[in-house]
Amino acid sequence: EAQVTQNPRYLITVTGKKLTVTCSQNMNHEYMSWYRQDPGLGLRQIYYSMNVEVTDKGDVPEGYKVSRKEKRNFPLILESPSPNQTSLYFCASSLSGGGTYGYTFGSGTRLTVV
Amino acid sequence: GIQVEQSPPDLILQEGANSTLRCNFSDSVNNLQWFHQNPWGQLINLFYIPSGTKQNGRLSATTVATERYSLLYISSSQTTDSGVYFCAVASNYQLIWGAGTKLIIKP
Repeated sequence: EAQVTQNPRYLITVTGKKLTVTCSQNMNHEYMSWYRQDPGLGLRQIYYSMNVEVTDKGDVPEGYKVSRKEKRNFPLILESPSPNQTSLYFCASSLSGGGTYGYTFGSGTRLTVV
Repeated sequence: GIQVEQSPPDLILQEGANSTLRCNFSDSVNNLQWFHQNPWGQLINLFYIPSGTKQNGRLSATTVATERYSLLYISSSQTTDSGVYFCAVASNYQLIWGAGTKLIIKP
């Protein structure tokens, strides 16, 4: 089944403890991206990647890192999480990011930083 | 930048009713998607519909790109249709989202 898989689904962590949210797609998509969703602010893009080793900042990249060493994986790294990073996170992929093809989203990761 | 507006913001219906959700966008685009976010937070891609009409079961969508709007139709609503429906357009390698229509289907 074609899908985007995120792990974990739920995570509670403490301030300053490094964490990684994994994202993997099995559709051979070139484009992958991360969004966070917050009440009243909607979905905002954190980072995106057009292909292996090609990443770029979205609208809210501060406090996050990403890497794209393989086509299928695009992990989101929080080096020193803070409570303002408590949010619902989504990974997405598409054949290309320009809108010619639809985006497929993972099931989301609900992160709480205490 | 592109603006995406959805209406109505909230909709409460009885099971079995039909509904129409609207999405207006400010610039000419050749891509538009509809998503359903269920009460558990999952985002499900309903339609990629840059123009024309598509149907999938009880759901259908129509986009008139020249007039900059799209409609999502839900027929014979079920309680599992509850959640928030978003439309979004791609611009500068990201999706620009509407604020959503929150749909509640009462049994």
